[in-house]
Amino acid sequence: DIVMTQSPDSLAVSLGERATINCKSSQSVLYSSNNYLTWYQQKPGQPPKLLIYWASTRESGVPDRFSGSGSGTDFTLTISSLQAEDVAVYYCQQYYSTPFTFGPGTKVDIK
Amino acid sequence: QVQLQESGPGLVKPSETLSLTCTVSGGSISSYYWNWIRQPPGKGLEWIGYIYYSGSTNYNPSLKSRVTISVDTSKNQFSLKLTSVTAADTAVYYCARHVGTTPYAEIVYWGQGTLVTVSS
Repeated sequence: DIVMTQSPDSLAVSLGERATINCKSSQSVLYSSNNYLTWYQQKPGQPPKLLIYWASTRESGVPDRFSGSGSGTDFTLTISSLQAEDVAVYYCQQYYSTPFTFGPGTKVDIK
Repeated sequence: QVQLQESGPGLVKPSETLSLTCTVSGGSISSYYWNWIRQPPGKGLEWIGYIYYSGSTNYNPSLKSRVTISVDTSKNQFSLKLTSVTAADTAVYYCARHVGTTPYAEIVYWGQGTLVTVSS
C-alpha cells in the first residue's frame, strides 16, 4: 500500500494570509508525466469536495486562491489568501494504485 | 448532474452484516467504476473498494475477507455488504464515482454519506 502522510496536522492562519499543507507519499505516484494525486476539502457534515487533481489541476469552480504543486512523492496545497469559508479539513489522496489511500488530513482554522 | 444517495440501516449489531445501497440518478451506472469509502467519526477516509458496472471488483486488502460489493444495473444501484462487524466499523459510509471511465482518476461525485453505528 502507498502510505500518505500530511503536515502539519493542523494550522491556524490569519484571514488573507497564506496557508500551506504538505503531503508525502511512500512511493512515487508519477506515471507518464502525470501525478496521480488529488486534494479534497471537507467541511463538517459534508462529503469531501474535489479541489485539485493530477496534483496541480484545479477543479472547475474552485477559486484560484487554491493551488497544488509537487511531483513524485512530495506535494503541496497552497491557499494564497485564506478566507473564512476555507475553514475545513484538507486531505490528499493517491489514485496511482489500489488500495487508493488518503492522507490523515490537515485541519485549517482562522487565527 | 450525477447524484448518489446511500441508504440502509443506521444501527447494526456486533457480529452481524452491514448492508448499504447506493442509488445513482442523473446518469447511467454503466461504463463507470463505483466506490465505497468510509470515515469513522472524527477520523480520516478509508477506501473500501470499487465495482465496475460489469461486476468486476477491487477491494481494500484490509477489508477484503469481509466485503462484498455488488451492482444492479436494472435499478441503477450498487451495494455494500460488510460481515462480522465490530465497533471499529462504525463510520459514515460514502458511495462515490470517478470522473471518467477509469478508476485511476479523481473521485468527483460523492453521496452525502450515511452514518452506520455498530452497537448492541
